[in-house]
Amino acid sequence: GAGVSQSPSNKVTEKGKDVELRCDPISGHTALYWYRQSLGQGLEFLIYFQGNSAPDKSGLPSDRFSAERTGGSVSTLTIQRTQQEDSAVYLCASSSSKSSGANVLTFGAGSRLTVL
Amino acid sequence: AQKITQTQPGMFVQEKEAVTLDCTYDTSDPSYGLFWYKQPSSGEMIFLIYQGSYDQQNATEGRYSLNFQKARKSANLVISASQLGDSAMYFCAMREGLGNTPLVFGKGTRLSVIA
Repeated sequence: GAGVSQSPSNKVTEKGKDVELRCDPISGHTALYWYRQSLGQGLEFLIYFQGNSAPDKSGLPSDRFSAERTGGSVSTLTIQRTQQEDSAVYLCASSSSKSSGANVLTFGAGSRLTVL
Repeated sequence: AQKITQTQPGMFVQEKEAVTLDCTYDTSDPSYGLFWYKQPSSGEMIFLIYQGSYDQQNATEGRYSLNFQKARKSANLVISASQLGDSAMYFCAMREGLGNTPLVFGKGTRLSVIA
């Protein structure tokens, strides 16, 4: 697509429920990233996919968080047994595969998660 | 240690004036890239400007320029002729190495442009 698409744009859930957030990157972009932004804060890296390589999961805050990327395109971030501290905006970004450090991340509009 | 430090939580600037947003970084990798993003109240992240560690000249993009001082490890964003639409959060970010490794972001600076 023309941009990075994320769904849902807003999700309200009860503590303890599982949630899935979806990201559809720009067509042809091989790199995909998930970040989390808590209210009024900067962006916290969660996980990174590059082509067929094993993902970099070093930013996942706990084992309740997982993500997969099917067919090298769409990605789903899953949060199990949600907690109130998981409330945040989850941002997805993608970038192209040029062998340069100048690859710009293009962000989606984000999924706002509220855990009651 | 923080990789990216933005020491100004908030800044005010008069419309049509220039403003500098500070960013210092910490890395031992000789290859790195520095990015600035703008986040308006609507929430989207908008890429503004990029500076590579080997670039000899400061990057410029329209009203945005990056004051890159390698020895000081600073990469300040300069916005000239501020407009009301420049009011937003501004984030400095760094990528270490080449390729597509994730960006590390600073905590941001909120810029308010006053008429």
